[in-house]
Amino acid sequence: AAGVIQSPRHLIKEKRETATLKCYPIPRHDTVYWYQQGPGQDPQFLISFYEKMQSDKGSIPDRFSAQQFSDYHSELNMSSLELGDSALYFCASSVSGGGTDTQYFGPGTRLTVL
Amino acid sequence: GQQVMQIPQYQHVQEGEDFTTYCNSSTTLSNIQWYKQRPGGHPVFLIQLVKSGEVKKQKRLTFQFGEAKKNSSLHITATQTTDVGTYFCAGPHYGGSQGNLIFGKGTKLSVKP
Repeated sequence: AAGVIQSPRHLIKEKRETATLKCYPIPRHDTVYWYQQGPGQDPQFLISFYEKMQSDKGSIPDRFSAQQFSDYHSELNMSSLELGDSALYFCASSVSGGGTDTQYFGPGTRLTVL
Repeated sequence: GQQVMQIPQYQHVQEGEDFTTYCNSSTTLSNIQWYKQRPGGHPVFLIQLVKSGEVKKQKRLTFQFGEAKKNSSLHITATQTTDVGTYFCAGPHYGGSQGNLIFGKGTKLSVKP
C-alpha cells in the first residue's frame, strides 16, 4: 500500500539558511499535518491543511510557512534556521469523512542545523 | 492549555513480563489514539478508541478508554523484543480542526531478552 512520502530524508543546513521539506500524502487523502519531534520528545503539531487550505495552526514559528498544492503535496518552508530547529519533521495525512481521523505518518525528514 | 499526560516515561521489562502505560487528558476527549514509534522510525497508528469504557484487543495488546473519556491505557501481555519502542497516546486538540492531535510524552519500552 502507498505510504506518505517525505523528501529529503536527511538535510544539513547552516544557521540562518533556509530549508524546504516536501510531503506527498497517501493518494486520496485530503488532509496533511506537519509535526516537529525533538530528540526524546513527543511530536509537536505545527500546521495542517485540508483541501489545500490551512485548517489549523499549532506551535509553528513565524519563520516557518507551509502550503498545500493542487496535487495535495505539501511543503514546509523554514527560513533563518536556528540550532534549535534541528529535529525530525514528520508529515502525516488522513482522509476526512471516514469516521476516523487516523493519521498516517511519513518516515520523516531529519534536519540538522549547524 | 490542554494537556495529555502519560506515565511512566520509561519501562524496562524482562521478556515475557507484562507492560502497561497510562494516559490522562486534562479535557474530555472525543477519541483517543495510540501510536507506536520504533527507535529511528516514525509513529505508526495502532488503534483509536471512541466510546466511553471501550476496550479493544489486538493480539497481546489491550486498549481501554475510561468511562469519563479522559484516560486510557495500553496493556501488553507477555512482552516480546519486537514490542520495543515508544508508545504514544494522542487526543484531538480541543477547539482545533479535525485531526489536530495532542500527543502524550510517550512511554519508552525496553525489553530484555
